[in-house]
Amino acid sequence: DTGVSQDPRHKITKRGQNVTFRCDPISEHNRLYWYRQTLGQGPEFLTYFQNEAQLEKSRLLSDRFSAERPKGSFSTLEIQRTEQGDSAMYLCASSFRWNTEAFFGQGTRLTVV
Amino acid sequence: DAKTTQPPSMDCAEGRAANLPCNHSTISGNEYVYWYRQIHSQGPQYIIHGLKNNETNEMASLIITEDRKSSTLILPHATLRDTAVYYCIVRAAPEAGGTSYGKLTFGQGTILTVHP
Repeated sequence: DTGVSQDPRHKITKRGQNVTFRCDPISEHNRLYWYRQTLGQGPEFLTYFQNEAQLEKSRLLSDRFSAERPKGSFSTLEIQRTEQGDSAMYLCASSFRWNTEAFFGQGTRLTVV
Repeated sequence: DAKTTQPPSMDCAEGRAANLPCNHSTISGNEYVYWYRQIHSQGPQYIIHGLKNNETNEMASLIITEDRKSSTLILPHATLRDTAVYYCIVRAAPEAGGTSYGKLTFGQGTILTVHP
């Protein structure tokens, strides 16, 4: 078990471009969460998957954001037509049950220029 | 989700115990208290969690008051590497037929600085 993996660790993109991030959760964890964190703030919840089903989405998740977990294993988060306000750290977490430990990856730092 | 209140910052001398308080007066009976910490530019690190009993692991101890309205995270022998932002979180239980599935809701946390 190597923990939660996120790829890439850093991404610089031009405004208007699309970006996709990947998260590989801990193998037996069926619950997967995406968060976003801006400088000086705590992580903010974006969306939640249980297996392949996306069951909860924050109002922060605008139409430009989409997340998938096609086979209930890895997940992707895509941002279309990026804006400078999308610059943040995007974090993924996974857990086995709702009341067990949730482990976070190291995040993907997105910079939109 | 139950809200938590933490002091914005605390200091601790290296080698001494760090006691980080958290108020969660609106916590519900089936909601857990979680503690995470985050070192600059890294993902949050799980520390400990509990429901109503005190808990201890290799990193820390969690003391929850009998009425569950507050808790204290104890780092028994703080080191310089414990300098981080510490988050106290009340994890909402999934709602039957509802839309909450146990997400962690982070606040601003406590910046703990351990000094030599």
